[in-house]
Amino acid sequence: GAGVSQTPSNKVTEKGKYVELRCDPISGHTALYWYRQSLGQGPEFLIYFQGTGAADDSGLPNDRFFAVRPEGSVSTLKIQRTERGDSAVYLCASSLFPGGTYEQYFGPGTRLTVT
Amino acid sequence: AQTVTQSQPEMSVQEAETVTLSCTYDTSESDYYLFWYKQPPSRQMILVIRQEAYKQQNATENRFSVNFQKAAKSFSLKISDSQLGDAAMYFCAYRSEGKTSGSRLTFGEGTQLTVNP
Repeated sequence: GAGVSQTPSNKVTEKGKYVELRCDPISGHTALYWYRQSLGQGPEFLIYFQGTGAADDSGLPNDRFFAVRPEGSVSTLKIQRTERGDSAVYLCASSLFPGGTYEQYFGPGTRLTVT
Repeated sequence: AQTVTQSQPEMSVQEAETVTLSCTYDTSESDYYLFWYKQPPSRQMILVIRQEAYKQQNATENRFSVNFQKAAKSFSLKISDSQLGDAAMYFCAYRSEGKTSGSRLTFGEGTQLTVNP
């Protein structure tokens, strides 16, 4: 079956621009996670959805970052007024249910470069 | 807050030999999971092995095994009979079972493993 997919694979944008990053989870997975991985570091949690609602958004760094999952499947991470410090790989993961023994399956990530 | 520390930024091993990657973590919780993930250059995170904190027995998956020391908060990964395909960045990760932390993963800084032929 299809795994988690993310589009675009790479995105280059200018400082101050708005970007949207898309995540298609594994079909039927109720939980969806976004992580940010800066160069040479481990991924850092951003936000987690259970169904359509954001169950935990405590990892979002500031109000320029926003994410939605309107129909409980596809999710979009939105970044306004991008800054050079936003450059990173943005990883999405999904799991059948949150917690327990349910594994998080990761997508290949979107590499965002802000020039 | 939980923290995960990997003190070895880089490790190397000869093909067919054994290597151990170290990980320590800090938590005040009693119920949690620990994971090792592999990230090749393709960026796709792949789960290698998982350990439930309530289980005393160390997890094993084929050539991969862990040494879980709960009191010492240590969770090392042993790779036996190393293969060229094992070369990748390895991340140790923690997941709480508490309601306050949800099901987020907390990752260490990673260890870059090189396998020499």
